[in-house]
Amino acid sequence: EDKVVQSPLSLVVHEGDTVTLNCSYEVTNFRSLLWYKQEKKAPTFLFMLTSSGIEKKSGRLSSILDKKELFSILNITATQTGDSAIYLCAVGGWAGGTSYGKLTFGQGTILTVHP
Amino acid sequence: NAGVTQTPKFRILKIGQSMTLQCAQDMNHNYMYWYRQDPGMGLKLIYYSVGAGITDKGEVPNGYNVSRSTTEDFPLRLELAAPSQTSVYFCASSSGTPSYEQYFGPGTRLTVT
Repeated sequence: EDKVVQSPLSLVVHEGDTVTLNCSYEVTNFRSLLWYKQEKKAPTFLFMLTSSGIEKKSGRLSSILDKKELFSILNITATQTGDSAIYLCAVGGWAGGTSYGKLTFGQGTILTVHP
Repeated sequence: NAGVTQTPKFRILKIGQSMTLQCAQDMNHNYMYWYRQDPGMGLKLIYYSVGAGITDKGEVPNGYNVSRSTTEDFPLRLELAAPSQTSVYFCASSSGTPSYEQYFGPGTRLTVT
């Protein structure tokens, strides 16, 4: 059974701090690892990392994938109050048949950024 | 494009009642998914579909049913609602090939009392 574990479960920081969120996984035939941001509504897509793209960056957010050690980190530098959200890590594999495209989600990290 | 739409936004059910959560997408995606999210938890997959007429169980299918008669629509049916089904339900879709990126609807908050 595929498994995704995120840490820490919650984190409280002040504006300007840098945070690192962790995601470790076990999945059959790894295909992709995705990060989503959820702010009291539907998750919104941040990054997708695959075997051919193990590092992504967008503004103050960056993510790397370590396929050997089976984990990923999401870094947020110079945090702002608008970064307060749940950050979800999800992993896609393929166990054959119709399982292509399925994601297994971690429990999420709740990030709170105080002014 | 409206993306993924869900109705209703909120619903309160009594124990034993039934209802259908509606989901539609206008992106011509073959893959569609239903998740539930309990407080402080991640998303758990209920059912998914890889195309019209093809559905399969996810991690937590008990108490739910789905159908996929068209590419656009993927309704989720709750039979004999129970308090354990109190949750937020999200529908999602993806093109499935080769990207795993899923696009989510706004969610339905369901309370069973």
